[in-house]
Amino acid sequence: EVQLVESGGGLVQPGGSLRLSCAASGFTFSSYSMNWVRQAPGKGLEWVSYISSSSSTIYYADSVKGRFTISRDNAKNSLYLQMNSLRDEDTAVYYCARDPSFAAANTFDYWGQGTLVTVSS
Amino acid sequence: AIRMTQSPSSFSASTGDRVTITCRASQGISSYLAWYQQKPGKAPKLLIYAASTLQSGVPSRFSGSGSGTDFTLTISCLQSEDFATYYCQQYYSYPVTFGPGTKVDIK
Repeated sequence: EVQLVESGGGLVQPGGSLRLSCAASGFTFSSYSMNWVRQAPGKGLEWVSYISSSSSTIYYADSVKGRFTISRDNAKNSLYLQMNSLRDEDTAVYYCARDPSFAAANTFDYWGQGTLVTVSS
Repeated sequence: AIRMTQSPSSFSASTGDRVTITCRASQGISSYLAWYQQKPGKAPKLLIYAASTLQSGVPSRFSGSGSGTDFTLTISCLQSEDFATYYCQQYYSYPVTFGPGTKVDIK
């Protein structure tokens, strides 16, 4: 069974940093591209960042470019999101999501349960 | 970035109804369109990709159509478990973008 479990969320002051983790199991993690998608309270979905299976290709949303860094450790079946210079508008539930590749590449077929990041003074 | 819009933003329906949700892209995206269902407090669930291909395990009462800029999601016979918010997503180009969502609630 595919499982994605996020951790690392919490309350942080504006300008602070936080590192999110996503532990993957139930599939060959090293074969799949991965993403972070967020959802502000009561709002819609916003894609944040993408990383290919080998980390050779990385994309960011303009809203986080220069502040967030996506990475992965295939040996540990883990995905990460380093978030720096956090702003109030970064407050959201952050989901890690798998890219199914092949015919459905660049969609999201499995999602974690999400981890809440609250940026507030 | 490609902008996605959805209509309506919300509506009420009854079990057994046939419902249709529309999604429009600000530019042509061929068939690079996915639909997701999200229930309160839960992660989204992929329903359809490539505009009309049902994801494995998704009931056949869900269907999708369209190409270019205009797309629809149809639920042929609404079930109680279908009351949720539905999002479209374009994956024609990065940044991939979602529509604002359509909430379907009980009449």
